[in-house]
Amino acid sequence: QKEVEQDPGPLSVPEGAIVSLNCTYSNSAFQYFMWYRQYSRKGPELLMYTYSSGNKEDGRFTAQVDKSSKYISLFIRDSQPSDSATYLCAMSGQAAGNKLTFGGGTRVLVKP
Amino acid sequence: NAGVTQTPKFRILKIGQSMTLQCAQDMNHNYMYWYRQDPGMGLKLIYYSVGAGITDKGEVPNGYNVSRSTTEDFPLRLELAAPSQTSVYFCASTPDSSGNTIYFGEGSWLTVV
Repeated sequence: QKEVEQDPGPLSVPEGAIVSLNCTYSNSAFQYFMWYRQYSRKGPELLMYTYSSGNKEDGRFTAQVDKSSKYISLFIRDSQPSDSATYLCAMSGQAAGNKLTFGGGTRVLVKP
Repeated sequence: NAGVTQTPKFRILKIGQSMTLQCAQDMNHNYMYWYRQDPGMGLKLIYYSVGAGITDKGEVPNGYNVSRSTTEDFPLRLELAAPSQTSVYFCASTPDSSGNTIYFGEGSWLTVV
């Protein structure tokens, strides 16, 4: 069983729709939660970073963490074709060294 | 801004050959990492370093070696390449252990035939 599970998709939505992504995890020691966006043939880029449970909003992006359910989510409002990418969740359980455990990524397609 | 620079971008190796993937960052970051990404599998940590002269194994270190003689450079050495090492390799760096400012390189695509 993987430590971090993420539906691979693809998730296809029309432009302007809300994109909903999520990851589940099994390690209760995880405290730091991140979402990365990765375009084809590029390196991941950090979108959102949250510590412990709660919500965080940044523009069109909202990240939620529910540690009691071991479940994290990313919502993209007013989706654009430029949001088409693979979205990776990542998490770590300690600050020292900050070794991240990644989900497998969800491919998102936003159709004009 | 150069950020994290990886070379080469693409390489084909024959089984048993060796090579070094280069990684350099110009942000004076202490922490550097090497990940590999297989299709649909996310990124797995190969090796990491918390500063010059200090390296440690990650989740999948077998078949690889690293060194960190300077803050800027963190090369990854593949000895006796095997088909299982066909993957995309990403180098990353961060200034501290908080995790909210990790920068990734563009990736190196390696095929072992």
